[in-house]
Formats: sequence, structure tokens, C-alpha cells
Amino acid sequence: DVKVTQSSRYLVKRTGEKVFLECVQDMDHENMFWYRQDPGLGLRLIYFSYDVKMKEKGDIPEGYSVSREKKERFSLILESASTNQTSMYLCASSRLAGSNTGELFFGEGSRLTVL
Amino acid sequence: GENVEQHPSTLSVQEGDSAVIKCTYSDSASNYFPWYKQELGKRPQLIIDIRSNVGEKKDQRIAVTLNKTAKHFSLHITETQPEDSAVYFCAASLGPGGYQKVTFGTGTKLQVIP
Repeated sequence: DVKVTQSSRYLVKRTGEKVFLECVQDMDHENMFWYRQDPGLGLRLIYFSYDVKMKEKGDIPEGYSVSREKKERFSLILESASTNQTSMYLCASSRLAGSNTGELFFGEGSRLTVL
Repeated sequence: GENVEQHPSTLSVQEGDSAVIKCTYSDSASNYFPWYKQELGKRPQLIIDIRSNVGEKKDQRIAVTLNKTAKHFSLHITETQPEDSAVYFCAASLGPGGYQKVTFGTGTKLQVIP
């Protein structure tokens, strides 16, 4: 069973704080993604990575950065948290090649509240 | 970039009736169209997917159809049951596998009334 684990289920931070969201997958997947989920807006892609140390901007990268130092770990960083970054953050992973499906495996989500 | 529109945003049906959710995409290069189901408080999970070389795919009570010319695809659920109540997301990508950016629709909240 694929397992994608997000380090924190619930976080409360103050405006201006630096926030780290960690994600680890155990299936040796090449692709990893960070989405944010907001009511009425669906799942919006922040960043994704298809290899160690590689990263690509998604649709809403502003205010975020990412780090992928190891294949299994993909971190989302909010350098200076703002109230409009209050959201549910979902990490996902998928296989790059050798698969007949592009299925994304999601973590349980990290609900971030910025006060 | 790709833009995926999804309708309706909410849908209520009586148990046993059918439900249809429709999506359109903008990038004609997209060739992989998955559907995800997210139950309340849980993570999204893939329920069915279709590639652009196939017009229709079925899996028991769910089916997906794709019209490449019109750039739209639909999810059909027949004989709905209360456990079908969830939020459904369509998506499009240059996949499966490979260097893929997956773009999601805004979701449809389906309520099946017993």
C-alpha cells in the first residue's frame, strides 16, 4: 500500500512566521506535488517535482518555496506566512514512468491557520 | 496553461437515480483524464481514468466519456447509493506517467438522498 505521510495535520501560526510542511512517501515515486484545497476552488497546484533537487512552479507558487533533497521527501515552505495562506495543504506522489496510470496518491492533508 | 472547468458545483439526487458531472479542458495536448473522489475528512482517491485514445470507459456503476473534439469529458454514476456522497474532482494532464502537471477542476459535491 502506498503511503504518503504529512508531518502535521493541524498547524496554527502567526503572520510573518516561517512555516515548514513536510511530506514523505514510501513507494519510491519520482513525482511529488503540493496542492492547496479551498472551498469552491478545488485543488490548485503550488509546486511539483519530478526528481531530487528538481522543482517546477505550479499555478499558484507565489509566497511558497519547496525543497526536495531526498527522493522520498518534499517540503513546502512559507517564508513569511500571511492570512490568505490559511488553507488545507495536500501532498501527493505518483510514478514518473513504467506505469499505465498516472494515479496521484495523496496524504491526509495539513490544515494551516494563519492568525 | 491548462484550465479545467467543472459543473455543477453541487448535485443532489435520490438514491437509485443517476448522476452526471461534466468537465471541459482548454489544452488540446492533454491526454489523460482522471476522476477523484473525496469523502468528508478524507484524502482524494482515484476512482476512474481515461486516456485520449479511448472514448468511454466503465467500471461497474461508474463510467467516463471523453469527447476530444469538443474537449469535454463526463462522469456518470448509475444506481447511486448513499456511500456515493462525496466531492468529485475531474482533472487533466499530459500523462499518465511522464513529466506531468495535473490540473484539477473545482469539484462537485454530490449528495445522494436515501
